[in-house]
Amino acid sequence: KQEVTQIPAALSVPEGENLVLNCSFTDSAIYNLQWFRQDPGKGLTSLLLIQSSQREQTSGRLNASLDKSSGRSTLYIAASQPGDSATYLCAVRPSGSARQLTFGSGTQLTVLP
Amino acid sequence: GAVVSQHPSRVICKSGTSVKIECRSLDFQATTMFWYRQFPKQSLMLMATSNEGSKATYEQGVEKDKFLINHASLTLSTLTVTSAHPEDSSFYICSAPLPRGGKGNIQYFGAGTRLSVL
Repeated sequence: KQEVTQIPAALSVPEGENLVLNCSFTDSAIYNLQWFRQDPGKGLTSLLLIQSSQREQTSGRLNASLDKSSGRSTLYIAASQPGDSATYLCAVRPSGSARQLTFGSGTQLTVLP
Repeated sequence: GAVVSQHPSRVICKSGTSVKIECRSLDFQATTMFWYRQFPKQSLMLMATSNEGSKATYEQGVEKDKFLINHASLTLSTLTVTSAHPEDSSFYICSAPLPRGGKGNIQYFGAGTRLSVL
């Protein structure tokens, strides 16, 4: 059974700092990995999706990497802003026909002004 | 872009009542939708897979008679929490992947429904 772990559970940084969020998964047989942002009491916003054949994806100040063989992904946020404060979730989709996602428990990020 | 609409966003109900939550794909057809549940301070856990035109597939430990799923059209799936009890209070959220591998099978999520059972 796939297990997804995110470290740290919470992170507080001053504005402007670059930071890295970590995600690890136990079963490397994945189809893709997706990073989401969740604001308190809200739904999910998709940030980046990395296919299993890809190594990284970039969108603006965000860069996500994937090392499938070691079961790791990182989300790099450059020049953090208070508006980046949210919970960040990673989720993996298994290889094969199944499309449901297995989520990590998230990293709660606070960017201090 | 692709949007998934979920309604209502918040429900407060008395114990024993039934609550229906709707999930709609607004500009694409979704033969499959997923229903997740999130308890406070925890991550999302898959409850069931909703399949258009056929029975839903439930995850282990999820009571199919309590959480009724209907996927009557290619753009609508509903989750009905029957005879709700306080322990059913949670955040329910649906998702739908783009069909035919669109955008790498990215999944779009609804805004979620906060259910509080008194």
